[in-house]
Amino acid sequence: DSGVTQTPKHLITATGQRVTLRCSPRSGDLSVYWYQQSLDQGLQFLIQYYNGEERAKGNILERFSAQQFPDLHSELNLSSLELGDSALYFCASSVGGANYGYTFGSGTRLTVV
Amino acid sequence: AQSVTQPDIHITVSEGASLELRCNYSYGATPYLFWYVQSPGQGLQLLLKYFSGDTLVQGIKGFEAEFKRSQSSFNLRKPSVHWSDAAEYFCAVGASSGDKLTFGTGTRLAVRP
Repeated sequence: DSGVTQTPKHLITATGQRVTLRCSPRSGDLSVYWYQQSLDQGLQFLIQYYNGEERAKGNILERFSAQQFPDLHSELNLSSLELGDSALYFCASSVGGANYGYTFGSGTRLTVV
Repeated sequence: AQSVTQPDIHITVSEGASLELRCNYSYGATPYLFWYVQSPGQGLQLLLKYFSGDTLVQGIKGFEAEFKRSQSSFNLRKPSVHWSDAAEYFCAVGASSGDKLTFGTGTRLAVRP
């Protein structure tokens, strides 16, 4: 157990739907990072939050959004889902910046049918 | 922007043989470098990291990596591979800004009995 909790582990949904992925960071970590892992794109950085504020944005689609709550858990919202959004979504946390290294959760596997 | 290249997509070694996984990075200043391992269906686990100082760093599970600035490389090594080392290995680079880590495309390691 890495200390980073992601729920749900698996999600199957239809095209056009909206889903929410949840992440609880390791105790004491203030930063949360979201990544998408697919076979053709590898690990793609989506977005970072630090202590409730958005700090960095990567290749995140406009249909996707995220937030970090006062208790530091984070949610990634994916809407108007397309088949190509099927992927493994990872959350990672860090005590400060990314240069401390990440602790990853076990991921949420999203399948869009 | 920083980038990482892992030239080998797949590597197969015999159990007990030595291992070297290649990683080349691109970054203008001194990079923060990491190696992560991902077992099937799992999240990524940090093996080791380099910030500064001794260019040979030791990690968990008997792995080590050497930073070579002149070659922009951070290769991962293990003197004797065990069957349980079969997994996917990712090299990552971070900038001094600390906003995110950029990952390579990974090297899948198979271990022959």
